[in-house]
Amino acid sequence: DSGVTQTPKHLITATGQRVTLRCSPRSGDLSVYWYQQSLDQGLQFLIQYYNGEERAKGNILERFSAQQFPDLHSELNLSSLELGDSALYFCASSVAAGGPTEAFFGQGTRLTVV
Amino acid sequence: GESVGLHLPTLSVQEGDNSIINCAYSNSASDYFIWYKQESGKGPQFIIDIRSNMDKRQGQRVTVLLNKTVKHLSLQIAATQPGDSAVYFCAETGNTGNQFYFGTGTSLTVIP
Repeated sequence: DSGVTQTPKHLITATGQRVTLRCSPRSGDLSVYWYQQSLDQGLQFLIQYYNGEERAKGNILERFSAQQFPDLHSELNLSSLELGDSALYFCASSVAAGGPTEAFFGQGTRLTVV
Repeated sequence: GESVGLHLPTLSVQEGDNSIINCAYSNSASDYFIWYKQESGKGPQFIIDIRSNMDKRQGQRVTVLLNKTVKHLSLQIAATQPGDSAVYFCAETGNTGNQFYFGTGTSLTVIP
């Protein structure tokens, strides 16, 4: 158990809908990262937050947004969903603001858009 | 931008043999590298890391080698066990050092 908790584990929704994925980082970790993993693909970095502030942005679509709350949990909001958004979404956390330090991953949320 | 690639998408080894998984990276400014293991249905799990001021680091049954000259990273697993069957990703920190860039992964299958 990495200590990173993601909910829900599975999510099935229709195209055009909006969903929210939730992540609770490890105790003491201030950084939260979101990654997308499509079928047979590697992990694509979406966005990072550190202590409530956006720190880095990767290949995140404009339809997607995230935030980190004062209690350090984070939410990833996906809107106007398309079939191609079906993927595993991982949250990771680390103690530092940036590298180099290892990040610990949650078990992921499997999103299926139908 | 950064790119991290893997030489082989799949690797099959006999139980008890040593495994070597390779990875190429493109950003010569990267200063930290990690190997992750991902089992089916689970999140990536940290295996071992190495900083750019080192060329070798050993863990329990695993060794990571870093060749900065050719921008190559490898993971060696000694006495591979069935429980080692998984997808292995290498990852690097890019210029910002704020996120990791992952390769597409190598699927390791251990044959009993």
